[in-house]
Amino acid sequence: QSVLTQPPSVSGAPGQRVTISCTGSGSNIGANFDVHWYQQLPGTAPKLLIYDNNNRPSGVPGRFSGSKSGTSASLAITGLRTEDEADYYCQSYDTNLSGSYVFGTGTKVTV
Amino acid sequence: QVQLQESGPGLVKPSETLSLTCVVSGTSISNYYWSWIRQSAGKGLEWIGRIYISGSTTHNPSLRSRVTMSLDMSKKQFSLKLSSVTAADTAVYYCARGPFYDRSGWGHYFGPWGQGIPVSVS
Repeated sequence: QSVLTQPPSVSGAPGQRVTISCTGSGSNIGANFDVHWYQQLPGTAPKLLIYDNNNRPSGVPGRFSGSKSGTSASLAITGLRTEDEADYYCQSYDTNLSGSYVFGTGTKVTV
Repeated sequence: QVQLQESGPGLVKPSETLSLTCVVSGTSISNYYWSWIRQSAGKGLEWIGRIYISGSTTHNPSLRSRVTMSLDMSKKQFSLKLSSVTAADTAVYYCARGPFYDRSGWGHYFGPWGQGIPVSVS
């Protein structure tokens, strides 16, 4: 019962640019709460990829960028590489009783 | 670097209590909030709750009063107990650092995460 909606899958050729959308509502993204993104490689735990909408933790390549507008957010991957093949999740804070921290449904990126 | 490691039984019987522990290394446990998050095929990623060194806890309302969390500063570990489990509680359980709070306010994100521990209720 994820509160944030993402497309199930996106794909692109090496070197291309792909974007992943994350749609929320007025109780989370639309309430001006920041959006964060995680990358989950096969068989591993999620790893923080983007925090506070568009900030990259140390070590995350500049090919990854985030943006937010209204009740939605997006993750862009430019110069797609085979090692980017993974599941990606958005996450935000929600003021409803569904839970304080909510995650997206997840998007499988295929290169 | 900061590392987290979950431990606990991988199989729990229905109606019993699931108990997990997370050991923290590479950082002080006293300056951060610490959370439990689970991932299942049916519900995706679900935040369970968080704890601070003061003992203050907050949990996902959907889990009602089944969640108990504690923290042991001397052992640099924190724990989760989930009571009255059912098959719906079958998931991979992760511990993670976060959310974050400093002079500039809240950072409602998590990182790093432990490697995760699969728990089956059966």
